[in-house]
Amino acid sequence: DADVTQTPRNRITKTGKRIMLECSQTKGHDRMYWYRQDPGLGLRLIYYSFDVKDINKGEISDGYSVSRQAQAKFSLSLESAIPNQTALYFCATSDFRGQGYTFGSGTRLTVV
Amino acid sequence: SQQGEEDPQALSIQEGENATMNCSYKTSINNLQWYRQNSGRGLVHLILIRSNEREKHSGRLRVTLDTSKKSSSLLITASRAADTASYFCATDRMDSSYKLIFGSGTRLLVRP
Repeated sequence: DADVTQTPRNRITKTGKRIMLECSQTKGHDRMYWYRQDPGLGLRLIYYSFDVKDINKGEISDGYSVSRQAQAKFSLSLESAIPNQTALYFCATSDFRGQGYTFGSGTRLTVV
Repeated sequence: SQQGEEDPQALSIQEGENATMNCSYKTSINNLQWYRQNSGRGLVHLILIRSNEREKHSGRLRVTLDTSKKSSSLLITASRAADTASYFCATDRMDSSYKLIFGSGTRLLVRP
């Protein structure tokens, strides 16, 4: 099994729909992150969590929310999807020093 | 906003040649990390260099860091077709509590 598992791998959804992207990790790390990747823009941080009771906004949190259900699980929700949220979404985890993130394989989301 | 900016944006070389990618950043850092991404896949951690280090090696990879110029370079020696990927630098800023900010990446094509 992969260290970081993201589901679904691909998703097409309609504008206005609510959608949840899920992430689970088996590294035993406290820290988890959600990034978004758009062509030519690298990765941008959406939300991050340093432990189960800690949630923080990243650079581009508007339109997104997260839930840290357990140390191993961190989900990202789009409350009302819009086309410019079409992107590749990555979940990652790290130890408390952040020295070397482990990434999931990504979720390719298309909002039509 | 992006902390790291890679240069060049794209690089095409012949197998066996060396590939050099550069990264510039804006604020003081704890460490700088390089990641690799095969097309549409998750990022893989390659190497980390701390702010008090100037050079680091890992196999065919050599990373340098110049904190006075706020820049880093990644050298891949004796490149192979399998090295074809995008390479990202990511900085752990001193004021950011160990969360990484990624650059926009360099797309490397190694021609057989």
